[in-house]
Formats: sequence, structure tokens, C-alpha cells
Amino acid sequence: AQSVTQLGSHVSVSEGALVLLRCNYSSSVPPYLFWYVQYPNQGLQLLLKYTSAATLVKGINGFEAEFKKSETSFHLTKPSAHMSDAAEYFCAVSVSGGYNKLIFGAGTRLAVHP
Amino acid sequence: EADIYQTPRYLVIGTGKKITLECSQTMGHDKMYWYQQDPGMELHLIHYSYGVNSTEKGDLSSESTVSRIRTEHFPLTLESARPSHTSQYLCASSGGLAVSSYEQYFGPGTRLTVT
Repeated sequence: AQSVTQLGSHVSVSEGALVLLRCNYSSSVPPYLFWYVQYPNQGLQLLLKYTSAATLVKGINGFEAEFKKSETSFHLTKPSAHMSDAAEYFCAVSVSGGYNKLIFGAGTRLAVHP
Repeated sequence: EADIYQTPRYLVIGTGKKITLECSQTMGHDKMYWYQQDPGMELHLIHYSYGVNSTEKGDLSSESTVSRIRTEHFPLTLESARPSHTSQYLCASSGGLAVSSYEQYFGPGTRLTVT
């Protein structure tokens, strides 16, 4: 069965610092992987997705993620944090078996301080 | 513009009332989903649908019910609201083939409070 683990429920960085949000997955088949962002009182917005075309995936707002099969990881990074990046971030993995479902991680709350 | 809509955005209602949360999408998607999310917590799938007249229960047991009479519309109903139903409810949709069928687009959510 597929699962997702996000290490660190809260991450705090200074403005301008590197952002690193960790996601590890388990899947018996090659997965599709996603990162979503959620701002307060809003729904989830897709940041980026891994589809097996390229291991380094670039998304919106300067974020990128690298798929590492050997480490079963899909960590999200951004070179320089901005105050507007403060939000909740969710990693998700596709569920095999033709059900078109996603399994979401527990989320990581990113705080950016001046 | 293609989008997914949820109404109401906020709802405060008394115990025992029947409520319907609306979800509509103009994305042209065939698959739709309902998630329940407590504040600061992960998402739990409670219902999904592959198309008209197709509905399935999700991974988290819920007392709510859903219907899919039209492709673009996927309402969620609680026959008798209880304080334990207080939560945020997120609707999503996806369509197409391969990875696109997993790429879910979310509405803004309905925050339900049952007093």
C-alpha cells in the first residue's frame, strides 16, 4: 500500500534562507508524486508534480522538487524564502489500482520570519 | 474560466439540522472527491465519484452522503448535523488520462461548525 511521510510538522526559516520540506513515500509501483500548498482558509493549490519524465521538477513560485528513487524521497526546495511562502505544504502519492486517488501526508507548516 | 466552486464558504448550524454542501466544477472533469480536514491536520478522503451515478465511500468513514446526477455537480449532505461533524470540507476534481487523472484541483472549502 502507498503511504507518505512528511518529516517535520513545523519548519521555520528566515526570509531569504533555503526552504527544505521533506517527503518520503512508499509505493510498490512507480508513483506519481505531488506537492500542494494551502494558505489559511483556502483549498489546496498544486505546486508541482512528478510524472517520471524528469527527476528534477520545477513548479510555481520558485519551488522545485527532486525525485530520488533510491531514497524514496521527493523533497521540496526553494533557494530563497519569501514571507508569502508561509503556508501549509502537503506531499501526495498516487494510489495504484486504477482508482485515481491520492494519499496525502500530514502536512508541514512553513513559517517565514524577517 | 475553468474552476471549482464550493458554497457556502462558512456555515454555522445547530445540532440536528440537515445540511447540503455544494460543489460544482467547470473543469470538464469526470472524477470528483470530498475530503474532510480538521484545522492544521491532514486530509481524509470521505467520498469519490468516477462519473454520473457513480459514488464510492472513501478511506475515512463518514455519516455524510453524496450524489452525482450531473457531471459538474457533487453535493454532500448531512441528514442530521452533530458537533462531531465540525470540520473543513474540501471538494476536488480530476480528469483526463495517466497523470492528469490523478492531478486534483481543489475548491476553496466549506468550514462547517455545528453548535
